[in-house]
Amino acid sequence: QQPVQSPQAVILREGEDAVINCSSSKALYSVHWYRQKHGEAPVFLMILLKGGEQKGHEKISASFNEKKQQSSLYLTASQLSYSGTYFCGTEISGTSYGKLTFGQGTILTVHP
Amino acid sequence: NAGVTQTPKFRVLKTGQSMTLLCAQDMNHEYMYWYRQDPGMGLRLIHYSVGEGTTAKGEVPDGYNVSRLKKQNFLLGLESAAPSQTSVYFCASSYSPLGAAQYFGPGTRLTVL
Repeated sequence: QQPVQSPQAVILREGEDAVINCSSSKALYSVHWYRQKHGEAPVFLMILLKGGEQKGHEKISASFNEKKQQSSLYLTASQLSYSGTYFCGTEISGTSYGKLTFGQGTILTVHP
Repeated sequence: NAGVTQTPKFRVLKTGQSMTLLCAQDMNHEYMYWYRQDPGMGLRLIHYSVGEGTTAKGEVPDGYNVSRLKKQNFLLGLESAAPSQTSVYFCASSYSPLGAAQYFGPGTRLTVL
């Protein structure tokens, strides 16, 4: 049931772009994206609800392909502050109470 | 406005000891969650609560108990700690059961010897 994230790790130079994917075998109601820096709590980035919408937040955006049960997180013109571990969390359709199942995480490292 | 707070931040237990982790939120959120995070495994849901006085099991509930006597507090208990419970524990809360952001506390790092 755990969604699968790819790649497991990404190394970038400042200004480069990256894409992180999240794939589920279950029909999804929503996909959440969080970023966690070492030794800190996960921080909410955005939610995508079923319907195939795309959301953006400055240089970070995401899409949700409901047919494929896949979501992608796009980081453009990366900054040093983007470094951290990115997790997707999925809410399965038909379940309730915001039970999230998280992927194993993607470690993003941005170098100067 | 502190958001979600957790106490303690660190704890070392011996096998068989008991302890309680406290989570408090000041956002008037109805829904609260306890997760554990282990290396390479992401976050796994232990128990959750949909309101004061109600709790339910998550993905990995064995060895843990919870209580939600007040809306703002969610307690996680370990009755007889085991080395397998060495982990980082995060509490989270949200205002809606579906499609809502979860806000996480800073975490408790627990080591069971």
